[in-house]
Order: sequence, then structure tokens, then C-alpha cells
Amino acid sequence: QLQLQESGPGLVKPSETLSLTCTVSGDSINTDTYYWGWARQPPGKGLEWIGSIYYSGSTSTYYNPSLKSRVTISVDTSKNQFSLRLSSVTAADTALYYCCSGFYTSENVDWWGQGTLVTVSS
Amino acid sequence: EIVLTQSPDFQSVTPKEKVTITCRASQSIGSSLHWYQRKPDQSPKLLIKYASQSISGVPSRFSGSGSGTDFTLTINSLEAEDAATYYCHQSSSLPWTFGQGTKVEIK
Repeated sequence: QLQLQESGPGLVKPSETLSLTCTVSGDSINTDTYYWGWARQPPGKGLEWIGSIYYSGSTSTYYNPSLKSRVTISVDTSKNQFSLRLSSVTAADTALYYCCSGFYTSENVDWWGQGTLVTVSS
Repeated sequence: EIVLTQSPDFQSVTPKEKVTITCRASQSIGSSLHWYQRKPDQSPKLLIKYASQSISGVPSRFSGSGSGTDFTLTINSLEAEDAATYYCHQSSSLPWTFGQGTKVEIK
């Protein structure tokens, strides 16, 4: 049973880079058992899948084409964390951001963080 | 990308009533459809995977059906604790997408 916890700034200025970290507990991130992902929900809108990473020595990433040019997801095995970076943010990136995970062999999300609200504003 | 459309957007229901939420995909997705429940101030929780597979720990009053483009989440005998927003999610093709959500309110 995994537990996920997001952390990072709640306020980011337009054109800057949004950076969030997800701390994983309950198992090692350095395993080929799970995928690690991010999703978000803008106020009043639906959920959007941002992307995911699969780590097993080497990494394999997938990014939503709508965000691909601005997104990076990475893993820090020393801290048992994975991270999201979203560059050149605008007000449209204001959202509740969730880190997520599931078994690599499955296609559903088994675990979600509690979510963290990020507001893009000057 | 595949668009998922849920109906209704909102439903006000009396306890013990049966609730039916539908999710329609813009193209066939086989059985790659999952359902989540999100209560206020909580993160989503997996209810049903692959259209109809039950999840350990989820009450048996929750069930799912469907394949192809049309799917249904059924809550038999609604309880007060089921007040939440319900989302469908497709994993048939990338990018994964979600329905807009159905809010269930208890009368």
C-alpha cells in the first residue's frame, strides 16, 4: 500500500516554472512494480492526465501531447521521490495537482496523493 | 484523444435509491474504463477497474458494466456516505482521459 504526498509552492508567477515533488512511502520508488504519474484539475474543469514515468534502472516517460513541450517528470531514487516541472506557466495552469501511481501492469490509478493547489498569478 | 462524456452532471438522490451514471466514449475503448469516487476534500478513490472488475474494500453496492463506447456505474441502495463526485477514466489510448464528473448529492 503506497502513500503519496505532494509538496511545492502554492503560488507561481506567469512565465516561470512550476515545480512539485511527490514523496512516496510504503515501498521503494526504485522498483519496476509501479508507474509514477501526475494529473491536475483546474477549477471548475475536469481531470487532465499530465504524464507518467516508469523507472527500472532506465526510465520511460509519457507526456500528454497538450503539455509535452513544457513538462518534465523525473525520479530521485535517493529521496524516494518523483517530480513534476512545468515551464512557462500561465493562468490556465492554475489547478489542483495530484501525484498518482499504479501497478505497471495495470492501466488504472491505484493511489493518489491528497492534491496540492497551485495558483499562477503575479 | 478520446473524449468521455458522463451523464448526468448532477444527481440528487434519496438514501436507498439506485443510482446509475453513464459514461460514453467518443470511440471504442473495449473494457479499458475505470471509475473513481472523490469525496469533498479527498483524493479520488478507485471503485471499479476494467469496466466491471470489483476492487477489494469497495462496498458491493458499487458495480460497473459496459464495453465498447457505453459504460455504466451503478450504486445499489445509496448511502449517505456515497455523496461524492464520480469520474470515469479511459486507458485504451494515450493520453489517458477522464469524464467531466457526476456529482451525487443526498437529498
